[in-house]
Amino acid sequence: LAKTTQPISMDSYEGQEVNITCSHNNIATNDYITWYQQFPSQGPRFIIQGYKTKVTNEVASLFIPADRKSSTLSLPRVSLSDTAVYYCLVGLYSGGGADGLTFGKGTHLIIQP
Amino acid sequence: NAGVTQTPKFQVLKTGQSMTLQCAQDMNHNSMYWYRQDPGMGLRLIYYSASEGTTDKGEVPNGYNVSRLNKREFSLRLESAAPSQTSVYFCASSDSPTGYEQFFGPGTRLTVL
Repeated sequence: LAKTTQPISMDSYEGQEVNITCSHNNIATNDYITWYQQFPSQGPRFIIQGYKTKVTNEVASLFIPADRKSSTLSLPRVSLSDTAVYYCLVGLYSGGGADGLTFGKGTHLIIQP
Repeated sequence: NAGVTQTPKFQVLKTGQSMTLQCAQDMNHNSMYWYRQDPGMGLRLIYYSASEGTTDKGEVPNGYNVSRLNKREFSLRLESAAPSQTSVYFCASSDSPTGYEQFFGPGTRLTVL
């Protein structure tokens, strides 16, 4: 089970690009990297998932270096509504197995005007 | 298309009382999950069900039981509630190949006095 390490909190300003890095030194060959966003009093929401290199969707980009020991979630031009907790998950899901379904404490991102 | 629904939204119990938290999804997903989230913490997996008819323990199963009633419904039961079970409970479902794109319900806020 790959353990992840993220900063506890980060601050930024509206309009800036925010990068949140997650370390996962013992990631296994078959592990995927997944990021979730959680607002207060709501359940987490899936943001993005990747295996290697770069993945981009309408919300964020995920950068994964060749050694896959870390990953960076990039949020372009953040707004106040991006203030939330961001979780990085790493692990293998195989036919219903729960390996890696540990959310940890996440990164509390605070966006200021 | 309601996604994942949970009932009740709030509940207050006395120590020793029992109750069942209900969860239903209308996305035809095979896998369903129950998590708890304590203040300032990430989510911890209680039980999960890879498919109809199967259930498995997660990280913190003690004091809970589950039933996968059918493909849509997955219930969580507290037989004898304890103050340590005061938490927010989230249900989720998934059917992605890597299992990590989970869809979460709005949560049930449970207080045990």
